[in-house]
Amino acid sequence: KAGVTQTPRYLIKTRGQQVTLSCSPISGHRSVSWYQQTPGQGLQFLFEYFSETQRNKGNFPGRFSGRQFSNSRSEMNVSTLELGDSALYLCASSLGPSGSYNEQFFGPGTRLTVL
Amino acid sequence: QQQVKQSPQSLIVQKGGISIINCAYENTAFDYFPWYQQFPGKGPALLIAIRPDVSEKKEGRFTISFNKSAKQFSLHIMDSQPGDSATYFCAAKTSGSRLTFGEGTQLTVNP
Repeated sequence: KAGVTQTPRYLIKTRGQQVTLSCSPISGHRSVSWYQQTPGQGLQFLFEYFSETQRNKGNFPGRFSGRQFSNSRSEMNVSTLELGDSALYLCASSLGPSGSYNEQFFGPGTRLTVL
Repeated sequence: QQQVKQSPQSLIVQKGGISIINCAYENTAFDYFPWYQQFPGKGPALLIAIRPDVSEKKEGRFTISFNKSAKQFSLHIMDSQPGDSATYFCAAKTSGSRLTFGEGTQLTVNP
């Protein structure tokens, strides 16, 4: 069974640009969560989607948005990039929503560098 | 109240030694406490998890100790090996919430 895949793996952008990251969950998984990982802040929750609906949202500005498609694939978008957005963006999938105890499986992440 | 505090930030252990990482929480509604292991270039992977109805859970060389009254839980890695060198995250959740992660501990096991 293929794991969670994220594309691209590495990305370099400049301030003010916008970026779209993609996540394909494990087959059969309907929940996708996104996290931002930085050395100083650890793993910060961005948002969660289940069956194409956003169920939870973390404390990030509106520049961060996401969506989920009918095949459970998810994208997140960051507009007007800032230097502080440089981070590893992780996607995690699970069978059910985060309110359940289904294990979350993480992808390898997308390393975003903002210059 | 949703925070999980993890310590130490980094840990260096000799091969064969015991690695101990601690976490503390405030929210008494938390009822699921997993530990994740992350290698460079990889996403975190579930290592072991515990519910508050037991005080200890062991899987191979990895043990979670849970102290409900102190609102603390810890990961013990016995006979630590260089291959255990990774970043470890504790986390906690309630039945209706998402995972809240600790800040992470970078473990280095010297040969």
